[in-house]
Amino acid sequence: DGGITQSPKYLFRKEGQNVTLSCEQNLNHDAMYWYRQDPGQGLRLIYYSQIVNDFQKGDIAEGYSVSREKKESFPLTVTSAQKNPTAFYLCASSISRSYNSPLHFGNGTRLTVT
Amino acid sequence: RKEVEQDPGPFNVPEGATVAFNCTYSNSASQSFFWYRQDCRKEPKLLMSVYSSGNEDGRFTAQLNRASQYISLLIRDSKLSDSATYLCAVNFNTGNQFYFGTGTSLTVIP
Repeated sequence: DGGITQSPKYLFRKEGQNVTLSCEQNLNHDAMYWYRQDPGQGLRLIYYSQIVNDFQKGDIAEGYSVSREKKESFPLTVTSAQKNPTAFYLCASSISRSYNSPLHFGNGTRLTVT
Repeated sequence: RKEVEQDPGPFNVPEGATVAFNCTYSNSASQSFFWYRQDCRKEPKLLMSVYSSGNEDGRFTAQLNRASQYISLLIRDSKLSDSATYLCAVNFNTGNQFYFGTGTSLTVIP
């Protein structure tokens, strides 16, 4: 079945450590996105990528980094510079050729930093 | 000002009721519009796209008002299983970015 896979589902880290969240899709979608969701704040865009080897900052990119070396993969690194990293992280993809194409989400990673 | 705004609710309605949610957006060049459903501690799932002429899918009707820059979602004959948070999403015509509202919480009561 085609879809987006995020791993792990739950992740616990100590403050000061970098952590990388995995996102893989087999939908052959060009565009991939990372969002963060906090209670009462909706989804906020961290980074997005329209094509391999290219990505752009979203509204809250500070403290995060990404890479897009393969079409299928868009890992997100949460660095120690991110001040409030505890959140629900959602990866999504879409067919970027069409503005009418919706986003499809992975099942998310809950990151807790203590 | 946020790009996309929704009334967070909560909306508590009895089974069988009709309920409507609105979502306003700030960018008049917005290209496409969607409604998502999100269950507690789960990822958002696409409920329906919103087309210019309005569209219906069973008990759900979505409408777009470009002049006033809002989209709406109408749920008829509410079921207990409709209880969830409903998110609107807007695709702005700049780099294919999607912006989301904060979500409207719906609880359908027996």
